[in-house]
Amino acid sequence: DAKTTQPPSMDCAEGRAANLPCNHSTISGNEYVYWYRQIHSQGPQYIIHGLKNNETNEMASLIITEDRKSSTLILPHATLRDTAVYYCIALQGANNLFFGTGTRLTVIP
Amino acid sequence: DAMVIQNPRYQVTQFGKPVTLSCSQTLNHNVMYWYQQKSSQAPKLLFHYYDKDFNNEADTPDNFQSRRPNTSFCFLDIRSPGLGDAAMYLCATSSNRGVLTGEQFFGPGTRLTVL
Repeated sequence: DAKTTQPPSMDCAEGRAANLPCNHSTISGNEYVYWYRQIHSQGPQYIIHGLKNNETNEMASLIITEDRKSSTLILPHATLRDTAVYYCIALQGANNLFFGTGTRLTVIP
Repeated sequence: DAMVIQNPRYQVTQFGKPVTLSCSQTLNHNVMYWYQQKSSQAPKLLFHYYDKDFNNEADTPDNFQSRRPNTSFCFLDIRSPGLGDAAMYLCATSSNRGVLTGEQFFGPGTRLTVL
């Protein structure tokens, strides 16, 4: 499974877009990119996943570069409730989600 | 609402005293997972059940066991808890489709303290 690299922390102003980067330069062709987040004292929450096409759902958008070596999770209008640790995971098959160190996103009023 | 329930939310045990954590789900999912999350660390998978098939991670200590008597319930048994086993224990579930999409549903966790 590909290793992912994320910045340890980021700040974002409330109402602005939060762009969370993830590097997965060793990703293989059949490995998906998953994003989860964990709000303090709660279990992780699935956000979105993708293989090579950009994806969007009600929570976020996922932009994957053409070479698939990196991706960006976009929260279009961050709210205070989006303050959490965001995990980027790249692997084949979802039975073993390896959570890396993640990015601690703080949304500032 | 369909959900993943973990009881208790907080559990205190003594060093070496066996403890059981429980998880139940109303989602009717085939797959159930147990994760360990130590303070300021990411969750780490201990094992999972695909229906009745038990899958242990290679580095999960023998001190940790699991039981899944039916689809809805899954238990985590720690036979002789050590101080290093103090952590948040997270239960998660996934449907067959979720195994392909990567979507797991997590419970709120049980925080275990070992005295």
